[in-house]
Amino acid sequence: QLQLQESGPGLVKPSETLSLTCTVSGGSISRSNYYWGWIRQPPGKGLEWIGSIYYSGATYYNPSLKSRVTISVDTSKNQFSLKLKSVTTADTTVYYCARQLAAAGTGTYYFDYWGQGILVTVSS
Amino acid sequence: SYELTQPPSVSVSPGQTASISCSGDKLGDKYACWYQQKPGQSPVLVIYQDTKRPSGIPERFSGSNSGNTATLTISGTQAMDEADYYCQAWDNSAVIFGGGTKLTVL
Repeated sequence: QLQLQESGPGLVKPSETLSLTCTVSGGSISRSNYYWGWIRQPPGKGLEWIGSIYYSGATYYNPSLKSRVTISVDTSKNQFSLKLKSVTTADTTVYYCARQLAAAGTGTYYFDYWGQGILVTVSS
Repeated sequence: SYELTQPPSVSVSPGQTASISCSGDKLGDKYACWYQQKPGQSPVLVIYQDTKRPSGIPERFSGSNSGNTATLTISGTQAMDEADYYCQAWDNSAVIFGGGTKLTVL
């Protein structure tokens, strides 16, 4: 059974960089046709996609966050990571990592496995 | 940018059919999927490629997508189906989520 687990600091100061890692177990991050994504959700609000990465390093980012986001992958550790720079209190949310099926030929894109989520608070 | 619009809330009586809509420009030309999220839990995929159910999802969940609207239908709604539901599509190399619909079973 595939499992994803987010890890990282739960508290980040304003203007600093938020860094999170997602560790994938029970399957290879290098599997074809699967991207690996980050999604966030402010408390009591909806889901917002941050970006996704393929094991080759190819990335897609949410245009509204693109200037502040970097997603990277480490296939040797079966991990992928998120960096969000210049954070503000508006970046206080639960961050999820998830596996994304991405079949461009059929236009099929969806998240089928999710981590449990990690709450990151931006506060001084 | 592309947007998906969902009603904020839908109510249904136990045993009845619940329908949750998701609207977007020519959404029927894309694949839509649906997630269920219960309080304090991660989202769970309940419908993908408009109509398909992942393994383990009850048959009472079904989906359709035509024109500008995708619809999630829950037949014989149970109390355990009370949750937030989000539609999602892919447009111009980006994942788009709907704003979510709170389904109340009362």
